[in-house]
Amino acid sequence: DQQVKQNSPSLSVQEGRISILNCDYTNSMFDYFLWYKKYPAEGPTFLISISSIKDKNEDGRFTVFLNKSAKHLSLHIVPSQPGDSAVYFCAASASFNAGGTSYGKLTFGQGTILTVHP
Amino acid sequence: DAGVIQSPRHEVTEMGQEVTLRCKPISGHNSLFWYRQTMMRGLELLIYFNNNVPIDDSGMPEDRFSAKMPNASFSTLKIQPSEPRDSAVYFCASSRRRGDANQPQHFGDGTRLSIL
Repeated sequence: DQQVKQNSPSLSVQEGRISILNCDYTNSMFDYFLWYKKYPAEGPTFLISISSIKDKNEDGRFTVFLNKSAKHLSLHIVPSQPGDSAVYFCAASASFNAGGTSYGKLTFGQGTILTVHP
Repeated sequence: DAGVIQSPRHEVTEMGQEVTLRCKPISGHNSLFWYRQTMMRGLELLIYFNNNVPIDDSGMPEDRFSAKMPNASFSTLKIQPSEPRDSAVYFCASSRRRGDANQPQHFGDGTRLSIL
């Protein structure tokens, strides 16, 4: 049962154009969403996040949009650069309690391979 | 700042052998996570430590897997006995403050494990 889905395994974009990566989730308890970028032979690195109380967060060329009613989020990269070529993971956080303390746990999507052509 | 350090980077061993993966989290981070990445299942959480104590081990696949965190600067993930289906990339990550979502997790570069 995949709670976080990235339905596009890959995306190819021309340099300078917009890249749009999509992510859907099923668990309404998710309260925070993150995007990670991963280069080959490296670990994922944090890119941008958004709280469930917001619908947009922007950081430079990267913008994340959240549509809670549709349980959908997207990452926009404008303009795309060849160095953006990587695997992008969507992740969602849900809180859980252990011993009276609240913790957050991430669930990742399968990832989308972005290729930006010069 | 040194990031999360994992060792070894690559491990190839025969089925039935014991495998130990190591992780040094970022200094000052009190949450540590072990993940496994496979083609079939993607990136899945195996176990989550907070202040060296396992908080959630529901992702540990079976009793052959065990993890320890004897102190704030070191953790191990052990597989005994190993099987070919354990072949995957294993990541360690750390974060501040109980893994709060607004404190992003920082990942190591992973250990690529191949069980023959």
